[in-house]
Amino acid sequence: DAKTTQPPSMDCAEGRAANLPCNHSTISGNEYVYWYRQIHSQGPQYIIHGLKNNETNEMASLIITEDRKSSTLILPHATLRDTAVYYCIVRVARGGDKIIFGKGTRLHILP
Amino acid sequence: DTEVTQTPKHLVMGMTNKKSLKCEQHMGHRAMYWYKQKAKKPPELMFVYSYEKLSINESVPSRFSPECPNSSLLNLHLHALQPEDSALYLCASSQGLAQGKRSYEQYFGPGTRLTVT
Repeated sequence: DAKTTQPPSMDCAEGRAANLPCNHSTISGNEYVYWYRQIHSQGPQYIIHGLKNNETNEMASLIITEDRKSSTLILPHATLRDTAVYYCIVRVARGGDKIIFGKGTRLHILP
Repeated sequence: DTEVTQTPKHLVMGMTNKKSLKCEQHMGHRAMYWYKQKAKKPPELMFVYSYEKLSINESVPSRFSPECPNSSLLNLHLHALQPEDSALYLCASSQGLAQGKRSYEQYFGPGTRLTVT
């Protein structure tokens, strides 16, 4: 499975857009990009996923580059409750489903 | 109901004890998962069940024994654990296993924090 590289930590001011980058240069054609986050002492929470098109839902937007080697998760108006570890995962869509978490980015939202 | 519940929230056990962790979901999901998370580390997959059958065992020691008695329930039986097994144990479920171009997000429970003394 393709590996991902994320910055270990980022800061963002409350109310601003938080842009979290992820590099997945070895991604193959059938691998999805998934984003989860984990707020302290809670289980991970699904945010969004995509294959090659940009995606948006009520939580965030996902921008995937045309070559699919990197992506950016955008939280449009960050709040203090968005402080969490954000995991970018590439996931193969075949039987025997695995999510392999990388180290993630610890996002601090500053008041 | 989009909730995965786990009991107990906290568990302290000795190395000679036998205990069980329980996970439940009522979303009609057919795939369920156990993960282990050590402090300040990402979750690591342990087991995957699909339609109540074990699909993946990530070379987990036999002192961890999973069981899926029905499609809503997943147990993890613990016996003769070591102090290094102390961790947060997370359960997750998804509509099914990813196949072809179909992929399903996983819903996680809050976890059971296990301490082995």
